[in-house]
Order: sequence, then structure tokens, then C-alpha cells
Amino acid sequence: GDSVTQMEGPVTLSEEAFLTINCTYTATGYPSLFWYVQYPGEGLQLLLKATKADDKGSNKGFEATYRKETTSFHLEKGSVQVSDSAVYFCALSPLDTGRRALTFGSGTRLQVQP
Amino acid sequence: IAGITQAPTSQILAAGRRMTLRCTQDMRHNAMYWYRQDLGLGLRLIHYSNTAGTTGKGEVPDGYSVSRANTDDFPLTLASAVPSQTSVYFCASSLDSNTEAFFGQGTRLTVV
Repeated sequence: GDSVTQMEGPVTLSEEAFLTINCTYTATGYPSLFWYVQYPGEGLQLLLKATKADDKGSNKGFEATYRKETTSFHLEKGSVQVSDSAVYFCALSPLDTGRRALTFGSGTRLQVQP
Repeated sequence: IAGITQAPTSQILAAGRRMTLRCTQDMRHNAMYWYRQDLGLGLRLIHYSNTAGTTGKGEVPDGYSVSRANTDDFPLTLASAVPSQTSVYFCASSLDSNTEAFFGQGTRLTVV
């Protein structure tokens, strides 16, 4: 079945450092891909998405490119801030009407130190 | 626009008691979901509904039931709570099952 694999955390960075959080997926076909962010004590918020191969999603300085050849959707940010500290989830959409819901990775905690 | 509203925000419940977690959305989304989030396990799908009047089982449905009498509401019921159901519960909705989901703020449930 479909699955999403994320790098384990926590990822600890200093402010203004470059961020990469790896995400790879397994699916039959070409699903839509998403990154969600969860701040402490809150629900998940959509950060960015890409719906087809080679699409780049971007928001708030974060970017991710849909790479079908490597089945990846890595999250990047050029300069992180303390306020980016959160848990980040990669997810993919079901590809047929029989599927149920988004499939989520296990999440990666990011800690940014001043 | 409120989006998705969950109630209660938190609850401490005695084992064996019945509990209904409420979820309402005002976005006219067709699909709704219940997830539980446990430390180190990410999100696990409990039940889903792709449209009003239909429901389905997710990864971890045992001990839970849902109903979808209308588009807006998707309550989750624990018939007889057990300590292993201690978790944070998130309700979500999406326009349809393969578009992005929007999440509520969660219900923190402790079963003692």
C-alpha cells in the first residue's frame, strides 16, 4: 500500500541555518504531495503542496519539489527562525476513489535555537 | 469562518464510560476524518467519511464508532473507554478524499 517515510528527528539547528527534511513515498501512480506543520498545542496546518511531477510548492520561505524519479518531496528552507520550531509532516493523497484519506509520515520535530 | 470546531478541548474520563467527541465544519466539505496522535506514532486514521451518509474504517477503528448524518457533523464515540485510548484526537475535513485536509485544534483525552 501507499506509505510515506520521513527522516527521524529531532532536527536541531541554529537560527539562519539551512534546513532539509527528507521525505520519500511509495505509491502506485502519481499522488498529490503535501507538507503540514504542527506548532505546539495546535492542529496540523497545510504548509505547501504539489499536485504533479516537477511541481514546486512554496510558502513562508519553505519549498519542496515533487521528484517522481526519486519518489521524493524534501522540505527545504534557506534560513530558519526560532518561530519555525514545530513538527513537520509529509503526506500523500489517495489515488483512487476507493482510498480513504491522506497518508501521513511519522513527523519530524524541528528545534531552532537562537 | 470557523473552519473546523472540535469539542471538548480536553477531557479526563473514567475507564468504562461512554464519550462522544464532537466535530463540526462549515466549509461544506464532502470528506471528514478522525485521527489519533500518539507520541512517536504520528497520525493514525480511525474512521473516515467520504460523503454524508457513508462512513468507513481506518487503520485503528476498534473501540470507536462514527456517524455522518449530515455534511457538517462527524461525531466520534467511544462506547466504553479504556486507558489505551488516551490520546490527542484530531478531526479533519477536505473537499474530497484526494485534496488537502484541514484540521481542528484537537481534543486531548485522558482515560483513567
